[in-house]
Amino acid sequence: NAGVTQTPKFQVLKTGQSMTLQCAQDMNHNSMYWYRQDPGMGLRLIYYSASEGTTDKGEVPNGYNVSRLNKREFSLRLESAAPSQTSVYFCASSNQEGVGEKLFFGSGTQLSVL
Amino acid sequence: DQQVKQNSPSLSVQEGRISILNCDYTNSMFDYFLWYKKYPAEGPTFLISISSIKDKNEDGRFTVFLNKSAKHLSLHIVPSQPGDSAVYFCAASATRSGGSNYKLTFGKGTLLTVNP
Repeated sequence: NAGVTQTPKFQVLKTGQSMTLQCAQDMNHNSMYWYRQDPGMGLRLIYYSASEGTTDKGEVPNGYNVSRLNKREFSLRLESAAPSQTSVYFCASSNQEGVGEKLFFGSGTQLSVL
Repeated sequence: DQQVKQNSPSLSVQEGRISILNCDYTNSMFDYFLWYKKYPAEGPTFLISISSIKDKNEDGRFTVFLNKSAKHLSLHIVPSQPGDSAVYFCAASATRSGGSNYKLTFGKGTLLTVNP
């Protein structure tokens, strides 16, 4: 089972370039999330989608946009990349609401912005 | 303001001994707690969870203890194995808040090294 699949695994951008990180899950989960992990900062929520057709800002949404394309796919877009967006990005999904979220994570995208 | 705190960035233990990873939280609305394990170049994977109605949950070598009055939880690994070497994240959610407040808040993580 693939679970949560993220592409690409690695990406190098120049400041000002744009790109979209793709995420797909095959577990029929309702909720999907984008996190970033920085050294000494843990995992911080960028955006999430509680269900198909809805998206909401998380803790650190500035500089990002998201699209919940369908139930399976949730993309993260950087319109004008900045060095501060150098990070490891994780997509996650879950299907439990009101009980406690058990997230399933993808393997991550390592992004460097020069 | 950091709502979930893991004050030990790293911990080193000998194989076969007990590993104790600690986590403190400040938000009294948190009522569900999870531990995730992360190996390098991989995504975090769920390890064990506990609801605030319990004070202990056990799964094999892993036990999580919750002290609500102290707003403190700990993960015990007994016996520790070299394959347990990873970063461990504590996470919390406020499930009874309603609305869209189901998202997790993570701590910064603790790097556990189990030496053979």
